Amino acid sequence: DVKVTQSSRYLVKRTGEKVFLECVQDMDHENMFWYRQDPGLGLRLIYFSYDVKMKEKGDIPEGYSVSREKKERFSLILESASTNQTSMYLCASSFAGGFSYNSPLHFGNGTRLTVT
Amino acid sequence: AQSVTQLGSHVSVSEGALVLLRCNYSSSVPPYLFWYVQYPNQGLQLLLKYTSAATLVKGINGFEAEFKKSETSFHLTKPSAHMSDAAEYFCAVSSTDRGSTLGRLYFGRGTQLTVWP
Repeated sequence: DVKVTQSSRYLVKRTGEKVFLECVQDMDHENMFWYRQDPGLGLRLIYFSYDVKMKEKGDIPEGYSVSREKKERFSLILESASTNQTSMYLCASSFAGGFSYNSPLHFGNGTRLTVT
Repeated sequence: AQSVTQLGSHVSVSEGALVLLRCNYSSSVPPYLFWYVQYPNQGLQLLLKYTSAATLVKGINGFEAEFKKSETSFHLTKPSAHMSDAAEYFCAVSSTDRGSTLGRLYFGRGTQLTVWP
């Protein structure tokens, strides 16, 4: 089974801090994604990456950046945390080989971030 | 562009009753469609996916979904609800645009299913 591991389940940070959320997958997937989940809004894509050192903005990239130095690891960075970034953050990965439009996403268990 | 609309943010059923969760999609090309389930304090798990092989798709835990192109729908059903089905369900459509959005999914806002004893 694919395992996507997010380093923290719960995180509390102060406004203005630089925050790192880490995600590691063990199935050699090319694609990796960061979503945030808020009640009533569903999942919104922040950034994604389809290869090492490659990244693309999703729908809500403002205030975030990402890093993918190794294929298995995809980091989300909050440059200066703000209270409106309090949310559940979900990492996901998927296979990109061949015709991959139907490759399902495999999700981690999420990191609930609170910014005070 | 792709989008998904889930009708009803909350659905409540009695144990043993039919479960029907509605999903309509918008896509300029034939889509690939997915249903995911999220149990409390967990990530999302794939329930089933439609990839044009058959319009009726069977998934895990007794769920199934039917792709209806004329209605642009992909509703999720289960004949008999169980208490363990209580969770949030998300419908998603795959981006089929070539290029940088390869592999991306667009999610609906989710439907919270409550099952009463």
